[in-house]
Amino acid sequence: DQQVKQNSPSLSVQEGRISILNCDYTNSMFDYFLWYKKYPAEGPTFLISISSIKDKNEDGRFTVFLNKSAKHLSLHIVPSQPGDSAVYFCAASAWSSASKIIFGSGTRLSIRP
Amino acid sequence: DTAVSQTPKYLVTQMGNDKSIKCEQNLGHDTMYWYKQDSKKFLKIMFSYNNKELIINETVPNRFSPKSPDKAHLNLHINSLELGDSAVYFCASRGSNTEAFFGQGTRLTVV
Repeated sequence: DQQVKQNSPSLSVQEGRISILNCDYTNSMFDYFLWYKKYPAEGPTFLISISSIKDKNEDGRFTVFLNKSAKHLSLHIVPSQPGDSAVYFCAASAWSSASKIIFGSGTRLSIRP
Repeated sequence: DTAVSQTPKYLVTQMGNDKSIKCEQNLGHDTMYWYKQDSKKFLKIMFSYNNKELIINETVPNRFSPKSPDKAHLNLHINSLELGDSAVYFCASRGSNTEAFFGQGTRLTVV
Protein backbone atom coordinates (compact mmCIF):
# COMPACT_ATOMS: atom_id res chain seq x y z
CA ASP A 1 0.00 0.00 0.00
CA GLN A 2 1.84 3.03 -1.31
CA GLN A 3 1.04 6.09 0.73
CA VAL A 4 3.13 8.33 -1.53
CA LYS A 5 2.81 7.86 -5.27
CA GLN A 6 4.76 9.19 -8.19
CA ASN A 7 2.94 7.93 -11.25
CA SER A 8 5.47 9.08 -13.82
CA PRO A 9 8.58 6.91 -13.74
CA SER A 10 10.36 9.19 -16.19
CA LEU A 11 10.19 12.66 -17.69
CA SER A 12 12.20 14.28 -20.48
CA VAL A 13 12.39 18.07 -20.72
CA GLN A 14 14.30 20.39 -22.99
CA GLU A 15 16.99 22.52 -21.38
CA GLY A 16 15.65 25.94 -20.42
CA ARG A 17 12.04 24.77 -20.18
CA ILE A 18 10.01 24.06 -17.07
CA SER A 19 10.11 20.61 -15.46
CA ILE A 20 7.02 19.61 -13.49
CA LEU A 21 7.15 16.54 -11.29
CA ASN A 22 3.99 15.32 -9.62
CA CYS A 23 3.23 13.41 -6.45
CA ASP A 24 0.08 12.18 -4.72
CA TYR A 25 -0.39 10.98 -1.17
CA THR A 26 -3.15 9.13 0.61
CA ASN A 27 -2.49 9.61 4.32
CA SER A 28 -4.14 12.76 5.67
CA MET A 29 -1.87 12.60 8.74
CA PHE A 30 1.05 13.76 6.62
CA ASP A 31 1.81 17.41 7.24
CA TYR A 32 5.35 17.83 6.00
CA PHE A 33 6.43 17.12 2.45
CA LEU A 34 9.88 16.93 0.93
CA TRP A 35 11.58 16.51 -2.40
CA TYR A 36 14.90 14.74 -2.75
CA LYS A 37 17.23 14.48 -5.71
CA LYS A 38 19.37 11.41 -6.28
CA TYR A 39 22.30 10.80 -8.57
CA PRO A 40 23.53 7.24 -9.28
CA ALA A 41 25.72 5.71 -6.55
CA GLU A 42 24.94 8.57 -4.16
CA GLY A 43 22.48 9.06 -1.32
CA PRO A 44 19.35 11.17 -1.75
CA THR A 45 19.98 14.90 -1.32
CA PHE A 46 17.36 17.19 0.17
CA LEU A 47 16.01 19.74 -2.29
CA ILE A 48 13.02 21.58 -0.87
CA SER A 49 10.19 21.04 1.58
CA ILE A 50 6.78 22.41 2.45
CA SER A 51 4.58 22.19 5.52
CA SER A 52 0.85 21.70 5.32
CA ILE A 53 0.19 25.23 6.50
CA LYS A 54 1.53 26.57 3.21
CA ASP A 55 0.56 25.98 -0.38
CA LYS A 56 3.78 27.15 -1.99
CA ASN A 57 7.45 27.28 -1.18
CA GLU A 58 10.11 28.66 -3.47
CA ASP A 59 13.87 28.33 -3.41
CA GLY A 60 15.69 29.68 -6.44
CA ARG A 61 14.73 27.66 -9.50
CA PHE A 62 12.71 25.20 -7.42
CA THR A 63 9.11 25.70 -6.31
CA VAL A 64 6.93 23.17 -4.54
CA PHE A 65 3.14 23.49 -4.64
CA LEU A 66 0.82 21.73 -2.23
CA ASN A 67 -2.89 21.10 -2.80
CA LYS A 68 -4.13 19.57 0.45
CA SER A 69 -7.69 19.01 -0.70
CA ALA A 70 -6.43 16.97 -3.65
CA LYS A 71 -3.60 15.41 -1.63
CA HIS A 72 -1.26 16.42 -4.40
CA LEU A 73 2.05 18.19 -4.61
CA SER A 74 4.29 19.16 -7.46
CA LEU A 75 7.84 20.33 -7.96
CA HIS A 76 8.56 22.94 -10.60
CA ILE A 77 12.07 23.50 -11.88
CA VAL A 78 12.58 26.52 -14.08
CA PRO A 79 14.65 26.92 -16.10
CA SER A 80 15.73 23.29 -16.33
CA GLN A 81 19.48 22.70 -16.57
CA PRO A 82 21.53 19.64 -17.59
CA GLY A 83 22.67 19.14 -14.00
CA ASP A 84 19.04 18.64 -13.00
CA SER A 85 19.05 15.23 -14.67
CA ALA A 86 18.57 12.82 -11.77
CA VAL A 87 15.92 10.77 -9.98
CA TYR A 88 13.54 12.88 -7.91
CA PHE A 89 11.79 11.41 -4.90
CA CYS A 90 8.73 12.87 -3.28
CA ALA A 91 8.44 12.15 0.45
CA ALA A 92 6.01 12.80 3.28
CA SER A 93 6.09 12.78 7.04
CA ALA A 94 4.16 13.79 10.10
CA TRP A 95 5.47 16.96 11.78
CA SER A 96 7.84 15.35 14.20
CA SER A 97 11.53 14.69 13.88
CA ALA A 98 10.92 11.16 15.16
CA SER A 99 8.36 10.35 12.48
CA LYS A 100 9.27 8.17 9.58
CA ILE A 101 9.61 9.70 6.14
CA ILE A 102 7.72 7.79 3.46
CA PHE A 103 9.09 7.97 -0.07
CA GLY A 104 7.48 7.70 -3.47
CA SER A 105 8.94 5.49 -6.16
CA GLY A 106 10.82 8.30 -7.88
CA THR A 107 10.73 10.04 -11.26
CA ARG A 108 13.78 9.99 -13.50
CA LEU A 109 14.18 13.46 -15.03
CA SER A 110 16.28 13.82 -18.14
CA ILE A 111 17.15 17.27 -19.45
CA ARG A 112 17.92 17.19 -23.15
CA PRO A 113 19.91 19.90 -24.95
CA ASP B 1 33.38 16.96 6.43
CA THR B 2 30.71 14.35 5.70
CA ALA B 3 27.48 14.81 7.70
CA VAL B 4 26.26 11.20 7.50
CA SER B 5 28.84 8.57 6.68
CA GLN B 6 28.34 4.86 6.31
CA THR B 7 30.82 2.08 5.72
CA PRO B 8 31.49 0.10 3.72
CA LYS B 9 30.25 1.50 0.42
CA TYR B 10 30.28 -1.93 -1.22
CA LEU B 11 29.87 -5.31 0.45
CA VAL B 12 29.92 -8.65 -1.34
CA THR B 13 29.36 -11.73 0.78
CA GLN B 14 28.12 -15.30 0.63
CA MET B 15 24.74 -16.56 1.73
CA GLY B 16 24.60 -17.48 5.36
CA ASN B 17 27.26 -15.02 6.47
CA ASP B 18 26.80 -12.32 9.11
CA LYS B 19 27.76 -8.75 8.24
CA SER B 20 27.53 -5.23 9.68
CA ILE B 21 27.13 -1.80 8.16
CA LYS B 22 28.21 1.18 10.22
CA CYS B 23 26.67 4.66 10.23
CA GLU B 24 27.77 7.84 11.94
CA GLN B 25 26.35 11.35 11.86
CA ASN B 26 28.05 14.53 13.07
CA LEU B 27 24.98 16.76 12.87
CA GLY B 28 23.88 16.36 16.47
CA HIS B 29 20.55 14.90 15.34
CA ASP B 30 18.35 12.89 17.68
CA THR B 31 16.79 10.60 15.08
CA MET B 32 18.50 8.11 12.80
CA TYR B 33 17.06 5.75 10.20
CA TRP B 34 17.90 2.79 8.04
CA TYR B 35 16.31 2.58 4.60
CA LYS B 36 16.50 -0.16 2.00
CA GLN B 37 16.40 0.53 -1.74
CA ASP B 38 15.44 -2.64 -3.54
CA SER B 39 15.82 -3.67 -7.16
CA LYS B 40 12.70 -1.70 -8.08
CA LYS B 41 14.36 1.40 -6.61
CA PHE B 42 11.78 1.86 -3.84
CA LEU B 43 13.19 3.52 -0.71
CA LYS B 44 11.62 1.68 2.20
CA ILE B 45 12.12 2.53 5.83
CA MET B 46 13.40 -0.29 8.00
CA PHE B 47 14.13 1.22 11.39
CA SER B 48 14.02 4.53 13.20
CA TYR B 49 15.90 5.36 16.39
CA ASN B 50 15.37 8.41 18.55
CA ASN B 51 17.96 9.16 21.23
CA LYS B 52 19.30 5.61 21.02
CA GLU B 53 15.86 4.05 21.40
CA LEU B 54 14.08 2.04 18.73
CA ILE B 55 10.81 3.73 17.80
CA ILE B 56 9.98 2.24 14.41
CA ASN B 57 10.51 -1.30 13.15
CA GLU B 58 8.80 -1.83 9.83
CA THR B 59 8.28 -5.59 10.11
CA VAL B 60 11.85 -6.28 9.18
CA PRO B 61 13.00 -9.90 9.72
CA ASN B 62 14.72 -10.34 13.06
CA ARG B 63 17.89 -11.33 11.20
CA PHE B 64 18.33 -7.56 10.95
CA SER B 65 19.37 -6.02 14.25
CA PRO B 66 20.13 -2.31 14.54
CA LYS B 67 22.36 -1.13 17.35
CA SER B 68 22.77 2.42 18.56
CA PRO B 69 25.69 2.74 21.00
CA ASP B 70 25.15 6.50 21.16
CA LYS B 71 23.09 9.19 19.49
CA ALA B 72 25.61 9.67 16.70
CA HIS B 73 25.80 6.03 15.62
CA LEU B 74 23.32 3.53 14.24
CA ASN B 75 24.82 0.31 12.99
CA LEU B 76 22.99 -2.45 11.13
CA HIS B 77 23.89 -6.07 11.74
CA ILE B 78 22.50 -8.75 9.46
CA ASN B 79 22.62 -12.44 10.36
CA SER B 80 22.36 -15.40 8.00
CA LEU B 81 22.35 -13.31 4.86
CA GLU B 82 19.98 -14.36 2.06
CA LEU B 83 19.99 -13.59 -1.65
CA GLY B 84 16.95 -11.34 -1.20
CA ASP B 85 18.93 -9.10 1.14
CA SER B 86 20.87 -7.78 -1.84
CA ALA B 87 20.03 -4.09 -2.06
CA VAL B 88 21.38 -0.64 -1.33
CA TYR B 89 21.05 0.34 2.33
CA PHE B 90 20.92 3.98 3.31
CA CYS B 91 21.44 5.49 6.72
CA ALA B 92 19.90 8.89 7.48
CA SER B 93 19.59 11.33 10.36
CA ARG B 94 17.07 14.01 11.19
CA GLY B 95 16.95 16.92 13.61
CA SER B 96 14.00 18.84 15.02
CA ASN B 97 11.42 19.43 12.33
CA THR B 98 13.95 19.29 9.55
CA GLU B 99 14.71 17.23 6.53
CA ALA B 100 16.64 13.97 6.79
CA PHE B 101 20.23 13.79 5.63
CA PHE B 102 21.34 10.60 3.93
CA GLY B 103 24.58 8.73 3.74
CA GLN B 104 26.07 7.64 0.43
CA GLY B 105 24.60 4.14 0.68
CA THR B 106 26.02 0.63 1.04
CA ARG B 107 25.51 -1.71 -1.88
CA LEU B 108 25.15 -5.20 -0.44
CA THR B 109 25.44 -8.13 -2.81
CA VAL B 110 24.76 -11.61 -1.48
CA VAL B 111 26.07 -14.43 -3.68
